[in-house]
Amino acid sequence: NAGVTQTPKFQVLKTGQSMTLQCAQDMNHEYMSWYRQDPGMGLRLIHYSVGAGITDQGEVPNGYNVSRSTTEDFPLRLLSAAPSQTSVYFCASSTGRGDQPQHFGDGTRLSIL
Amino acid sequence: AQSVTQLDSQVPVFEEAPVELRCNYSSSVSVYLFWYVQYPNQGLQLLLKYLSGSTLVKGINGFEAEFNKSQTSFHLRKPSVHISDTAEYFCAVINTGGFKTIFGAGTRLFVKA
Repeated sequence: NAGVTQTPKFQVLKTGQSMTLQCAQDMNHEYMSWYRQDPGMGLRLIHYSVGAGITDQGEVPNGYNVSRSTTEDFPLRLLSAAPSQTSVYFCASSTGRGDQPQHFGDGTRLSIL
Repeated sequence: AQSVTQLDSQVPVFEEAPVELRCNYSSSVSVYLFWYVQYPNQGLQLLLKYLSGSTLVKGINGFEAEFNKSQTSFHLRKPSVHISDTAEYFCAVINTGGFKTIFGAGTRLFVKA
């Protein structure tokens, strides 16, 4: 039972580099989202998708892009990494119904030097 | 719009003592309420949820929470904690007609021997 799978688990980048964080779910969930977690700030929504081909911005979208070509996958792209993007990134999925919980991956720990 | 306030950033407690983690929310519409737990180096997982009906809800690992509409609170309690309960706990809210979850900043529970 894989659930939500995130890769890589750890990554170190230099300022200005680009990379893609991968997220895949096998529960046929329509709703997927990306959060960043920083100490004392809880989880902040970066981008979300309500289905294949549909994405929208969350609370902190600057510097990140997403796409949703399939129901299963929702990659997050850092266009030009900055030290302020050092964080733990979580992908989550759900049915999209408010009474259903979100299912989280184990996170990607990203350091930007 | 909704917001969630977790009143304590850290709660140290001795093993076998009771604990209460406080959560207050703000919303102009009806909401569903959730508590998630995050163990070290893992993603969040559902602890319990309140949808409707009985204001006392029970979750996994002996935790329970009480919904108080007049005080807009959803405090989490456990009568006797274990070392293994050491984790970060997040209160979350979602409006009943929506799909975006709003998280509190988290409360870090330290259980000491």
